[in-house]
Amino acid sequence: GAVVSQHPSWVICKSGTSVKIECRSLDFQATTMFWYRQFPKQSLMLMATSNEGSKATYEQGVEKDKFLINHASLTLSTLTVTSAHPEDSSFYICSASPFSGGGGRSTDTQYFGPGTRLTVL
Amino acid sequence: RKEVEQDPGPFNVPEGATVAFNCTYSNSASQSFFWYRQDCRKEPKLLMSVYSSGNEDGRFTAQLNRASQYISLLIRDSKLSDSATYLCVVNGGGSYIPTFGRGTSLIVHP
Repeated sequence: GAVVSQHPSWVICKSGTSVKIECRSLDFQATTMFWYRQFPKQSLMLMATSNEGSKATYEQGVEKDKFLINHASLTLSTLTVTSAHPEDSSFYICSASPFSGGGGRSTDTQYFGPGTRLTVL
Repeated sequence: RKEVEQDPGPFNVPEGATVAFNCTYSNSASQSFFWYRQDCRKEPKLLMSVYSSGNEDGRFTAQLNRASQYISLLIRDSKLSDSATYLCVVNGGGSYIPTFGRGTSLIVHP
């Protein structure tokens, strides 16, 4: 199956610092990647859709200036949490879908990265 | 009404039991359906796609009922290792953004 990696897998930082999380599709190209956040014992919450070569699309209530997304290539999207605060502590997960462009069931199967656990002190 | 709804459970079953989950969706134009499994503090992993004709993978069987707009997951001969949260994902219907259910928690006990 398709492989998606994330880096770092966990990070602890001081309040006010910025943290960058990378999401890479290792064996396929992804024009679209998704960023999710999950708090303990809660469901995945979609934060934004990352589009290669264009601006990300943010979900309602997600601050685009706080969560900066860059999708510079077909295999890499980054999420930067700027001026992180303790309430930003969460599990951040990205997903990507192999895009064949020709339709079919497998084009929208989501493959998830292993997640990044962010703790802001 | 939420777009994708699941009973959060938990479903508490003994080893060897058969258990079934349903997931309802509101967008009748939805085209793709999936079941994912998420273990505690881990990322979701694809369990199986759900096809119109239904599909089976070992002890797992997934069905799609378009008329009633739900998908189901049946697990036979439950194992302790099946304990996890099962997420229903629906895609298509005018949007390429996948919609997740909140998940159904399964606990298999000895």
